[in-house]
Amino acid sequence: DGGITQSPKYLFRKEGQNVTLSCEQNLNHDAMYWYRQDPGQGLRLIYYSQIVNDFQKGDIAEGYSVSREKKESFPLTVTSAQKNPTAFYLCASTGQSSSLHFGNGTRLTVT
Amino acid sequence: SQKIEQNSEALNIQEGKTATLTCNYTNYSPAYLQWYRQDPGRGPVFLLLIRENEKEKRKERLKVTFDTTLKQSLFHITASQPADSATYLCALPPDDGSARQLTFGSGTQLTVLP
Repeated sequence: DGGITQSPKYLFRKEGQNVTLSCEQNLNHDAMYWYRQDPGQGLRLIYYSQIVNDFQKGDIAEGYSVSREKKESFPLTVTSAQKNPTAFYLCASTGQSSSLHFGNGTRLTVT
Repeated sequence: SQKIEQNSEALNIQEGKTATLTCNYTNYSPAYLQWYRQDPGRGPVFLLLIRENEKEKRKERLKVTFDTTLKQSLFHITASQPADSATYLCALPPDDGSARQLTFGSGTQLTVLP
């Protein structure tokens, strides 16, 4: 079955460390997205990529970085510059339709 | 700036009743609106899309309306079941439609009581 795989499901890091969240899709979708979800808030767009080797900042890109070297993969690095990194991170993709296909998220806790 | 509001954070209803969730938006003229379902600890799942020229759309027990004058969408679940308990999110594209960057509401948590 096609889908989006995010790993790991839970991630714990010490403050000051960079951490990379994995996102892989086998849907052959061109566009991929990273969202952050905090309790009581909507999903906020961090970065998106519409094609390999190209990506754009979303609404809250500060303290994050991404790469898109392969169509299937869109890893997100949470750097030590991100002030409040503890959150639920969601990766998504779109193909020809405008609906998003989401992975099941990575819950990052930084202490 | 563009803003989306979903009517309440939590809604409790009895099994068998119709649940009605509201999504209001301001400073938007979206070409369409989408609804997603999210279960705890999981990613949202797409349910329905309604376009600006469609007044109503149905899928099984789900019905969505879209009033571009009121800038509001209503999401109905008829004959609700405990399995319908989840958080429901509405989402809109940007006005210019130049990229598919959806903006999401904060969601309404629905609990259907047996």
